[in-house]
Amino acid sequence: QVQLQESGPGLVKPSQTLSLTCTVSGGSISSGNYYWNWIRQPAGKGLEWIGRISTSGSTNYNPSLKSRVTISVDTSKNQFSLKLSSVTAADTAVYYCARGAAAAGFDNWGQGTLVTVSS
Amino acid sequence: SYELTQPPSVSVSPGQTASITCSGDKLGDKYAYWYQQKPGQSPVLVIYQDTKRPSGIPERFSGSNSGNTATLTISGTQAMDEADYYCQAWDTTTGVFGGGTKLTVL
Repeated sequence: QVQLQESGPGLVKPSQTLSLTCTVSGGSISSGNYYWNWIRQPAGKGLEWIGRISTSGSTNYNPSLKSRVTISVDTSKNQFSLKLSSVTAADTAVYYCARGAAAAGFDNWGQGTLVTVSS
Repeated sequence: SYELTQPPSVSVSPGQTASITCSGDKLGDKYAYWYQQKPGQSPVLVIYQDTKRPSGIPERFSGSNSGNTATLTISGTQAMDEADYYCQAWDTTTGVFGGGTKLTVL
């Protein structure tokens, strides 16, 4: 059974770059026609889709974050990653990685990792 | 940008039917997805492609989507169904979530 696990610093200073990695276990990240997504949720608020990447490297980003977001994939490590630049306190949230397929929804989520932006 | 609107809260008595709506421009022309999120947990997909239930999701969960509104219906609501529910759709290649609905079972 495929499992996803986020990892990365829990504290980032304002104006710096947030970097997170999602490790996929129990299956190959390259198998199946999946997109690999990042989604975040500020405390007490709703879900916000950040972006996604296919294993061929094709990316789509939320227009509201596009200028600051980079998502990449490393198939050799079965991982995909998120970089969010120039962070502010508004970027403080639980960040989830999730698997999605065309017309199938986000069917597999990581447990989420809290990232706090503070000096 | 595309927006999905949900009621902030819905209340239902145990055993009754709960309906949660999600509104968006021509939402019926897109697929709607629904996620359940309990406190401190990751979201779980409960409906995909408007009406389909993933394996392991109880039959009491059903969905519909027409016109500008998608609806998640929970029949015979149980206490364990108390959670936040989010609708989601794709605006071409951009994922969009509704603001979420807190379902209270009382």
